[in-house]
Amino acid sequence: GAGVSQTPSNKVTEKGKYVELRCDPISGHTALYWYRQSLGQGPEFLIYFQGTGAADDSGLPNDRFFAVRPEGSVSTLKIQRTERGDSAVYLCASSLSARPGELFFGEGSRLTVL
Amino acid sequence: DQQVKQNSPSLSVQEGRISILNCDYTNSMFDYFLWYKKYPAEGPTFLISISSIKDKNEDGRFTVFLNKSAKHLSLHIVPSQPGDSAVYFCAALPQGGSEKLVFGKGTKLTVNP
Repeated sequence: GAGVSQTPSNKVTEKGKYVELRCDPISGHTALYWYRQSLGQGPEFLIYFQGTGAADDSGLPNDRFFAVRPEGSVSTLKIQRTERGDSAVYLCASSLSARPGELFFGEGSRLTVL
Repeated sequence: DQQVKQNSPSLSVQEGRISILNCDYTNSMFDYFLWYKKYPAEGPTFLISISSIKDKNEDGRFTVFLNKSAKHLSLHIVPSQPGDSAVYFCAALPQGGSEKLVFGKGTKLTVNP
């Protein structure tokens, strides 16, 4: 497809479990972002990759959260020891950085921690 | 502490009339301001942006106005159409090359036929 693809679209897990969320950006987009949107809130920045490296991970809430982008394309957001407060929609976006702030978002992965 | 505030959770307008969505910000160190639109079960999509050195940007039915002294921006949609019904997010990009968009909580716009 031409857009940003995220899998799974829905994930239900139990507290304490490990979760991986995958993002496949638009082909050729060098910049990749993860945001988190909780109910009634706007998207909240988590991490930004330029190529393979995390250029800014200041939004990751704690060390249970980790993200990788080993080949500069697909990215995986990893959450260890999930907590109920981690329940949210996790949005991935990519961009060419041609226009500042213009991101192309995927549909998101809805995570529910029971 | 919310740096970007959208104080109206919802707005309802009649088809053909003007929709005005408002956004306030507290930090003077933003370079760009943007509006994103979001339909249910979809990701946000970029709508329009404005540089901090400008006070107006227009794209078809959409116009964004920036008032730096008031730290306020607004999105005007005219004429409004039922397909414009969505949640609109105001966002800001900090100075200094940061890629960290700061979003407001959103305003749900309903355009009634």
